[in-house]
Amino acid sequence: EEQLLESGGGLVQPGGSLTLSCAASGFTFTSYAMIWVRQAPGKGLEWVSTLSGSLSGSGGSTYYADSVKGRFTISGDNSKNTLYLEMNSLRAEDTAVYYCARDYDSSGYNWFDPWGQGTLVTVSS
Amino acid sequence: SYDVTQPLSVSVALGQTARITCGGNNIGSKNVHWYQQKAGQAPVLVIYRDNNRPSGIPERFSGSNSGNTATLTISRAQAGDEADYYCQVWDSNTVVFGGGTKLTVL
Repeated sequence: EEQLLESGGGLVQPGGSLTLSCAASGFTFTSYAMIWVRQAPGKGLEWVSTLSGSLSGSGGSTYYADSVKGRFTISGDNSKNTLYLEMNSLRAEDTAVYYCARDYDSSGYNWFDPWGQGTLVTVSS
Repeated sequence: SYDVTQPLSVSVALGQTARITCGGNNIGSKNVHWYQQKAGQAPVLVIYRDNNRPSGIPERFSGSNSGNTATLTISRAQAGDEADYYCQVWDSNTVVFGGGTKLTVL
């Protein structure tokens, strides 16, 4: 069964840092693009970042929402089949449940399935 | 940037047909995907590439996309269909989600 499991969320002070992990199982990580999506309390889904798969024409390319560009970094460890999101200079408005999800293929241009269960990040003093 | 617009809420009587729209400039030229999110749960894909159902999604769920509007149609609505629904497109290396529509089954 193809599954994603996020971890690493928690309470962090404004200006602090946190790294989220998304462990993939049941499929070959490098064959797919992966994304991070967040959902602030009571709000809708917001795309955060994409890591294209190594098989795509732009293999390993990264893309970010303007709201996190320069502060967040997406990366992957093929040996561990794990996706990461390093978050720096965190702000109160970054408070959200963070989900990872897999693209249909390596491009990042498609739909996303499956999704992880999410991990909560709270930025507060 | 590309924007897509959904109604905040849609209500449907039990057993009737619900239609949730997703509007965007010439959205008919894009592939539209739909997700269902029940309270406290992660999103689940219900329609991909305008009108395709993943395995395990009931035939009651269907989609269409033309002109400036994509539509998710839920036939014979059940209480278990109550959820938030999000449309999603891809544009210029960004993933775009609609604001979400809360479906209430009366």
